Amino acid sequence: AQKVTQAQTEISVVEKEDVTLDCVYETRDTTYYLFWYKQPPSGELVFLIRRNSFDEQNEISGRYSWNFQKSTSSFNFTITASQVVDSAVYFCALSEGPYSGGYQKVTFGTGTKLQVIP
Amino acid sequence: GAVVSQHPSWVICKSGTSVKIECRSLDFQATTMFWYRQFPKQSLMLMATSNEGSKATYEQGVEKDKFLINHASLTLSTLTVTSAHPEDSSFYICSARERGGPAYEQYFGPGTRLTVT
Repeated sequence: AQKVTQAQTEISVVEKEDVTLDCVYETRDTTYYLFWYKQPPSGELVFLIRRNSFDEQNEISGRYSWNFQKSTSSFNFTITASQVVDSAVYFCALSEGPYSGGYQKVTFGTGTKLQVIP
Repeated sequence: GAVVSQHPSWVICKSGTSVKIECRSLDFQATTMFWYRQFPKQSLMLMATSNEGSKATYEQGVEKDKFLINHASLTLSTLTVTSAHPEDSSFYICSARERGGPAYEQYFGPGTRLTVT
């Protein structure tokens, strides 16, 4: 069974501070995919990034960066110089791989609510 | 491309009535669609997986007779909440997987907020 743990329920930071959102996952698949989504108050999920299990390279996209470490089963997300518009709930998610025998379902973490204070 | 719509975006219904939510892939054919439910301040929980032309596969604990899913075409899946009760009030989100596309790719709809009074 898959599991995604986001231990931080809520985080508040002052604008321009850096913030890291933690994500730890469990899976028995050797091939799998990890995701981060942003959910603003409107409710619509915004896709941020996808990582496959064979690609441990860290990625940077503007103020966003992701650190994937298979050794610790973690896929952490850092926002540099946070802005008020970053305020949202962020979900880490894990998808089964193609050899799981199923529909490659996605399991979501419980989410971290980020509040950026001006 | 890869846009998924949901209709309605929000709905209020009375207890005991049924309500239908539509999920459409606007610019692609979706062989598989997923339905999620999200309670306030909680995570998304997968309710069921539907494949075009076949019966939906429900997750453990989800009542098949209460949440009827129909995936009649490659661009439309519907979720009908039958005999709705206040505890069914939730945010329902669908996602779709493109025919021939990578299996890890799911496109999410904007969600439907259901309130049962």
